[in-house]
Amino acid sequence: AQTVTQSQPEMSVQEAETVTLSCTYDTSESDYYLFWYKQPPSRQMILVIRQEAYKQQNATENRFSVNFQKAAKSFSLKISDSQLGDAAMYFCAYRTGTASKLTFGTGTRLQVTL
Amino acid sequence: GAVVSQHPSRVICKSGTSVKIECRSLDFQATTMFWYRQFPKQSLMLMATSNEGSKATYEQGVEKDKFLINHASLTLSTLTVTSAHPEDSSFYICSASFGTEAFFGQGTRLTVV
Repeated sequence: AQTVTQSQPEMSVQEAETVTLSCTYDTSESDYYLFWYKQPPSRQMILVIRQEAYKQQNATENRFSVNFQKAAKSFSLKISDSQLGDAAMYFCAYRTGTASKLTFGTGTRLQVTL
Repeated sequence: GAVVSQHPSRVICKSGTSVKIECRSLDFQATTMFWYRQFPKQSLMLMATSNEGSKATYEQGVEKDKFLINHASLTLSTLTVTSAHPEDSSFYICSASFGTEAFFGQGTRLTVV
């Protein structure tokens, strides 16, 4: 069974600084997708960034980028120039190429301080 | 992007009654929808996969007779919590697949008193 592990229950970063959230996963599949979702206090799930396993290049979306290490099964999220609005729960998620259901990690609560 | 609407956002019901939660894909057709449950400060736990025109597939440990799922059209899936009890109080979230992405509803906070 696929598992997703987020080893950091909570993280804190100062405004304008950079923070990295960790995620590891376990799978025997070769075709899969990885995602980072943000869940603010409103609890609406928001897609932050996605990575296709077949792509070697790390995905980037403005201030958000990932470090995808396929051999190590690692998928970390880097947030640059952190803003107060980045404070939220962040979930790492995995899905295979054929099955559309997502497997989520346990989440990391990110605090952004002044 | 694709929009998924979930209704109601909050509901309070008496113990023993049933509650229906709707999940609609507003601008796309979703052959597959998913229902999750989220306890406070925890992750999303998949309850079931809802397939249009067929029976839902429930995850291990989820009572299918308690959590009835109907996916009668390509844009609507419903979750009915039957004979609700206080332990069913939780946050329920639906999502719909569009391509290789999942789009989420706003969630429903269910409180059973």
